[in-house]
Amino acid sequence: DADVTQTPRNRITKTGKRIMLECSQTKGHDRMYWYRQDPGLGLRLIYYSFDVKDINKGEISDGYSVSRQAQAKFSLSLESAIPNQTALYFCATSYSGSHNEQFFGPGTRLTVL
Amino acid sequence: SQQGEEDPQALSIQEGENATMNCSYKTSINNLQWYRQNSGRGLVHLILIRSNEREKHSGRLRVTLDTSKKSSSLLITASRAADTASYFCATHTGANSKLTFGKGITLSVRP
Repeated sequence: DADVTQTPRNRITKTGKRIMLECSQTKGHDRMYWYRQDPGLGLRLIYYSFDVKDINKGEISDGYSVSRQAQAKFSLSLESAIPNQTALYFCATSYSGSHNEQFFGPGTRLTVL
Repeated sequence: SQQGEEDPQALSIQEGENATMNCSYKTSINNLQWYRQNSGRGLVHLILIRSNEREKHSGRLRVTLDTSKKSSSLLITASRAADTASYFCATHTGANSKLTFGKGITLSVRP
């Protein structure tokens, strides 16, 4: 969905490096989410934000941090990447006035060596 | 923890056949949603059914919800090779809650 963009799309990094994944949206949605997807485990929520300055931990927030710089931007950081953070990462948005239907970005494939 | 669990984990059918996928969940919900994911790409919202609805249609999709059994099914009629994808159910339990996704069903439609 071109309304939700993620950069980079692919990244290979080494253990211990700091990595930032960025998400931007033009949908005007107030809520944004970061998920990771691993084979056989489905999507797991890392962090979510219901508005600027609102940050909430998801089920697997350890080792990650986020920043909601503006309503349209939500970035995910791995302060010191480790191999088990190798996964497909998705950003998603939703509108608080809806039934929480979410719109996903194309994903970032992160490999930590 | 997973709220929704899809069944089967994988399904292979011939083009033209119907595909039925099931989702069970554990707690009361506000709504249940189905998403589709083509290989390695972002999820796409397909259809939403509210807790007070029993059946909903959208094109070749039909979704049912049985809140007494805490289960939902997604039917894709007259399947096409292009329907090959993973399908996820997701439950929404309240106004300020998140979606909780199942692990997904891999559907393969053979031409």
